[in-house]
Amino acid sequence: AQSVTQPDIHITVSEGASLELRCNYSYGATPYLFWYVQSPGQGLQLLLKYFSGDTLVQGIKGFEAEFKRSQSSFNLRKPSVHWSDAAEYFCAVQIDSNYQLIWGAGTKLIIKP
Amino acid sequence: ETGVTQSPTHLIKTRGQQVTLRCSSQSGHNTVSWYQQALGQGPQFIFQYYREEENGRGNFPPRFSGLQFPNYSSELNVNALELDDSALYLCASSGSGGLTDTQYFGPGTRLTVL
Repeated sequence: AQSVTQPDIHITVSEGASLELRCNYSYGATPYLFWYVQSPGQGLQLLLKYFSGDTLVQGIKGFEAEFKRSQSSFNLRKPSVHWSDAAEYFCAVQIDSNYQLIWGAGTKLIIKP
Repeated sequence: ETGVTQSPTHLIKTRGQQVTLRCSSQSGHNTVSWYQQALGQGPQFIFQYYREEENGRGNFPPRFSGLQFPNYSSELNVNALELDDSALYLCASSGSGGLTDTQYFGPGTRLTVL
């Protein structure tokens, strides 16, 4: 069965430090890949998506993600985090049946001042 | 352009009751998907509606049902509520429900079942 794993439940980084959030998926073919961010009381906001082509994808708010087929990974990165980046981050894949998104459990990002 | 809106924001029900949640899709979108997000977990796909027809369903029992109206707004109905139905219910709209369409999410409805 298809699945998405985000190995880190929480990550704490200092403001200004770099960030990498991990995402691994299990799926026979290349899925469509997404990263969303969820802030308290707000809906899920799309950061970036990968469908095909260049495996390094640029998103909003200075985020980028790299698709690595050999590792079935789609890790999210940011070179320098800001306090406003504190939120929960979800990786999701979309497969070619039912058009549903399959989600990871999320990684909560905590920013140290 | 208005975004996706959901009502109500919060709801408290007791076990066995029925509940209806509402979603207004983003302007120009004809597809609505519903997700259940339990505390500390990622969303789980319930079903999707495209042009008033159910277009896909996740692993949820039939007591979870939905409707989409001609203006593409949508309702999620849950009958015979169980304690485990307590969750954040998210609605997302997209242009056509296709694989390359981005889903835009509303803020959710927090349902508590006592």
